[in-house]
Amino acid sequence: QKEVEQDPGPLSVPEGAIVSLNCTYSNSAFQYFMWYRQYSRKGPELLMYTYSSGNKEDGRFTAQVDKSSKYISLFIRDSQPSDSATYLCAMSDYGGATNKLIFGTGTLLAVQP
Amino acid sequence: DGGITQSPKYLFRKEGQNVTLSCEQNLNHDAMYWYRQDPGQGLRLIYYSQIVNDFQKGDIAEGYSVSREKKESFPLTVTSAQKNPTAFYLCASSSRTSGNEQFFGPGTRLTVL
Repeated sequence: QKEVEQDPGPLSVPEGAIVSLNCTYSNSAFQYFMWYRQYSRKGPELLMYTYSSGNKEDGRFTAQVDKSSKYISLFIRDSQPSDSATYLCAMSDYGGATNKLIFGTGTLLAVQP
Repeated sequence: DGGITQSPKYLFRKEGQNVTLSCEQNLNHDAMYWYRQDPGQGLRLIYYSQIVNDFQKGDIAEGYSVSREKKESFPLTVTSAQKNPTAFYLCASSSRTSGNEQFFGPGTRLTVL
């Protein structure tokens, strides 16, 4: 079992839809959670950063962390064609045993105009 | 502008040759990382360095080497011992106080001919 599991997609939605992207993890020591957006042939761009459990909102994006279920989500409201990209979840136990960032394999999202 | 630069953007190598990928950052970050990205496999850590003149192997270090002589620079050499070097290589950096929030460069696409 991988430390981080991410729904592989691909996911295709119409413009304006609400998108839900999810990851589960097995290491209860993880406490820092990130979502990256990666356009084709580009480097990943940090989108959302959350510490511990709870919600964080930034414009059309909302990140949720449920540490009791070891489950994180990224919601995109009013999705736009420019949101079409691969979304990577990542997490860390910074200061703990590994001090490294563990990535999911990514979900490819296509928003159709 | 602060950021991470990688060069070249595209690199072609003949079998048996060593090649060096450049990574430079002006974010004053202490830690730097090299990842390899293959389709369907997410990001895999090759090497990382948390301070100058020190670095550690990641999950797939065989066939690669690095140096960290300056805080701003973390070059990666892909040696002839790396059996399947064709991939997208990403460099990242982070502050030691950021909870492992990593920022990525634009990547180098290496192709072995």
